[in-house]
Amino acid sequence: DADVTQTPRNRITKTGKRIMLECSQTKGHDRMYWYRQDPGLGLRLIYYSFDVKDINKGEISDGYSVSRQAQAKFSLSLESAIPNQTALYFCATSVERQNGELFFGEGSRLTVL
Amino acid sequence: AQSVSQHNHHVILSEAASLELGCNYSYGGTVNLFWYVQYPGQHLQLLLKYFSGDPLVKGIKGFEAEFIKSKFSFNLRKPSVQWSDTAEYFCAVSSYSGGGADGLTFGKGTHLIIQP
Repeated sequence: DADVTQTPRNRITKTGKRIMLECSQTKGHDRMYWYRQDPGLGLRLIYYSFDVKDINKGEISDGYSVSRQAQAKFSLSLESAIPNQTALYFCATSVERQNGELFFGEGSRLTVL
Repeated sequence: AQSVSQHNHHVILSEAASLELGCNYSYGGTVNLFWYVQYPGQHLQLLLKYFSGDPLVKGIKGFEAEFIKSKFSFNLRKPSVQWSDTAEYFCAVSSYSGGGADGLTFGKGTHLIIQP
């Protein structure tokens, strides 16, 4: 079983719909992250969380929100999806006060029509 | 803000050719550096990492990278590539605040295609 699990793995939705991507981890890591990947743009940080009460905006947080329901769970929401949010989304974890190495989930591919 | 520059966006090589992918970063302080690989349809996996010590680091599958502080570079190399090395390669650097690493800043990636 994967240490970092994302659901759904694939989702097609329509403009204006609310979408939630979920991430859970069994690694016991404190820090969790949401990145989006677009062809030619690499990975860009959307939000990150150091613990349940600590949520931080990343480089491209507009149009997204997050919830850290527990140490092991970190959800990403698109309140009103738009086509340019079509992308591959990755959840990742890391250990506090260490070197920054990230451990990635398998990705959630979102298509907004 | 930190930035990471990967010089080659697309690279096509024949099997057994040597590989070098360039990576430069902008941060002038202490850095931790990473190369991740993404095989088609898969998530990112760590190839290798540099934290301190010997600037030549060895990773999985025969890859290595050299940290040259004076050049702000961390180039990835492999002496002889295989068809199975076809993948997207990302260079990344740690971002830091007072409480430790905030995550990684990634380059835009290099799409490597190995022809049989």
